[in-house]
Amino acid sequence: GAGVSQTPSNKVTEKGKYVELRCDPISGHTALYWYRQSLGQGPEFLIYFQGTGAADDSGLPNDRFFAVRPEGSVSTLKIQRTERGDSAVYLCASSLFGAGLGETQYFGPGTRLLVL
Amino acid sequence: SQQGEEDPQALSIQEGENATMNCSYKTSINNLQWYRQNSGRGLVHLILIRSNEREKHSGRLRVTLDTSKKSSSLLITASRAADTASYFCATDLIQGAQKLVFGQGTRLTINP
Repeated sequence: GAGVSQTPSNKVTEKGKYVELRCDPISGHTALYWYRQSLGQGPEFLIYFQGTGAADDSGLPNDRFFAVRPEGSVSTLKIQRTERGDSAVYLCASSLFGAGLGETQYFGPGTRLLVL
Repeated sequence: SQQGEEDPQALSIQEGENATMNCSYKTSINNLQWYRQNSGRGLVHLILIRSNEREKHSGRLRVTLDTSKKSSSLLITASRAADTASYFCATDLIQGAQKLVFGQGTRLTINP
């Protein structure tokens, strides 16, 4: 596609439920990133994929958060037993190669998650 | 944790004036990037400046980088109402070079 797409745009769920957020990167981009942005803050890194593998998951806040990218393109961020503090905008980005080249990361529109 | 600090946190100017935003960071970097965000959604990449560059231009944007002071500035000349947005600087560190570390942003308002 022309840009990074994310679905759903908005997700409202109840505390304790499980959610999945999807990211479709720019075609051909091998690197994919997830960030989380709370109100009034800058985005914070969650996880980075190089191809199918998670090369850096140091930003995942706890084991309720998990992400996959099984075929090296689409990625899904999974949150178990959601808590109100998980409410944020979840942003996905992709770049052509990753691998320490200091590339531009192209961001999707984000998924706004609200946990009631 | 966030390593970048933008200054000011909010800026309001008249259309046609120039807007200057500053960013400071703490550790050595590979590159510094500036992004714009409208209405709290997707970020739009504006400009990337590498650690061995001192100044870069793109249209009405001018970015400077001073690695000795660990700071950068973004200048928007001849501002327009459509420039109203939040602006973030983001650095990728020499260690763990993939992730971007963002500041808290500057909220810019252009008054017609």
